[in-house]
Amino acid sequence: EVQLVESGGGLVQPGRSLRLSCAASGFTFDDYAMHWVRQVPGKGLEWVSGISWNSDNTGYADSVKGRFTISRDNAKKSLYLQMNSLRVEDTALYYCAKDMGPSGSICEYWGQGTLVTVSS
Amino acid sequence: SSDLTQDPAVSVALGQTVRITCQGDSLRSYYATWYQQKPGQAPVLVFSGKNNRPSGIPDRFSGSSSGSTASLTITGAQAEDEADYYCNSRDSSGYPRVFGGGTKLTVL
Repeated sequence: EVQLVESGGGLVQPGRSLRLSCAASGFTFDDYAMHWVRQVPGKGLEWVSGISWNSDNTGYADSVKGRFTISRDNAKKSLYLQMNSLRVEDTALYYCAKDMGPSGSICEYWGQGTLVTVSS
Repeated sequence: SSDLTQDPAVSVALGQTVRITCQGDSLRSYYATWYQQKPGQAPVLVFSGKNNRPSGIPDRFSGSSSGSTASLTITGAQAEDEADYYCNSRDSSGYPRVFGGGTKLTVL
């Protein structure tokens, strides 16, 4: 059974940093691309970032480019999102998602999310 | 345009057929992906590509596409289908950058 468990969320002041983690199990982690998708409570989904199976290819939404960095550790079966220079508008539930392929664009499985609140 | 447009809300009588649509220029080049999200839960993939329904998704869910419009059809809607539905598309970078605003489906 595929399991994705996010952690690292919390309350942080504007301008500060936070690192999210996603622990994966139930599948061969290094065979698949991974994504971060966020959702402001009560609002729609926003793709944040993605990374290919071997980390050679990464992508970012314009809203986070230059501030967020996605990475993965295949040995630890873990996905990360380093979030710097956080803004109030980054407040959201952050989901980790497994892609259907090594470098695709379909989020096949999702974790339950970790809540990030940016507020002074 | 990189935007995908969905009707905010759609309703259907129990057992009837409903079509949820998604419009956007990217759909002329790439297939839509559809996600279902129930309150308090993570999204679930329900349809992708030309004709891909994940295992465990009932066959009453189907997808289609024409020009800049993609559709998710539920044939014989059930009470448990009441949820928010989001369409999504990749762009030329290969990443799924664009989500529609979501359609809230009510089953009457």
